[in-house]
Amino acid sequence: ILNVEQSPQSLHVQEGDSTNFTCSFPSSNFYALHWYRWETAKSPEALFVMTLNGDEKKKGRISATLNTKEGYSYLYIKGSQPEDSATYLCATDLDGGSQGNLIFGKGTKLSVKP
Amino acid sequence: EAEVAQSPRYKITEKSQAVAFWCDPISGHATLYWYRQILGQGPELLVQFQDESVVDDSQLPKDRFSAERLKGVDSTLKIQPAELGDSAMYLCASSYGGTEYNEQFFGPGTRLTVL
Repeated sequence: ILNVEQSPQSLHVQEGDSTNFTCSFPSSNFYALHWYRWETAKSPEALFVMTLNGDEKKKGRISATLNTKEGYSYLYIKGSQPEDSATYLCATDLDGGSQGNLIFGKGTKLSVKP
Repeated sequence: EAEVAQSPRYKITEKSQAVAFWCDPISGHATLYWYRQILGQGPELLVQFQDESVVDDSQLPKDRFSAERLKGVDSTLKIQPAELGDSAMYLCASSYGGTEYNEQFFGPGTRLTVL
């Protein structure tokens, strides 16, 4: 059984705060780590695909790091805004290629208060 | 921008009734996935298609669930009969299949409530 764990389960911050959350995954047979943002009533949106140990990716105020040896990834949001309120999902792709299945964590639900 | 379409967005049904969900993937995407997300859990794969063929349906409860993608384009997921425990969000995703990292694009989902 492959477990992808995310923490915290939920997070409430004030506008302007910076925040981060964690995704833990089995380090064996690792192929790729995906981060998605899922706003209420919308489709999950891909943020990052990360593959190499030490990878750092950035998209605007959001960035992510990857440690494949110890099996974790951090997602950072700098200066949170109300529009960042969403559930952030991570998923591992252990098979790779076009037939790889994604194993999802339960998500971190972020609420940003104005 | 191309999107994955799903309908209906919301469905309320009584237990023992039949329900069906439809998904239209991004044009040209050969791989199509159906996921189920129960409240408080992460999405879990139910079935994966490569064109019209089922690649993985190991987690599909085959006594009541069925899925088809007859022409290798759009897909239908059916539940008959629905049970209370089937209440969940049903997500459809598609991928090109030619990319290295299996990037999946999701639709907005169908939220099913079984009464």
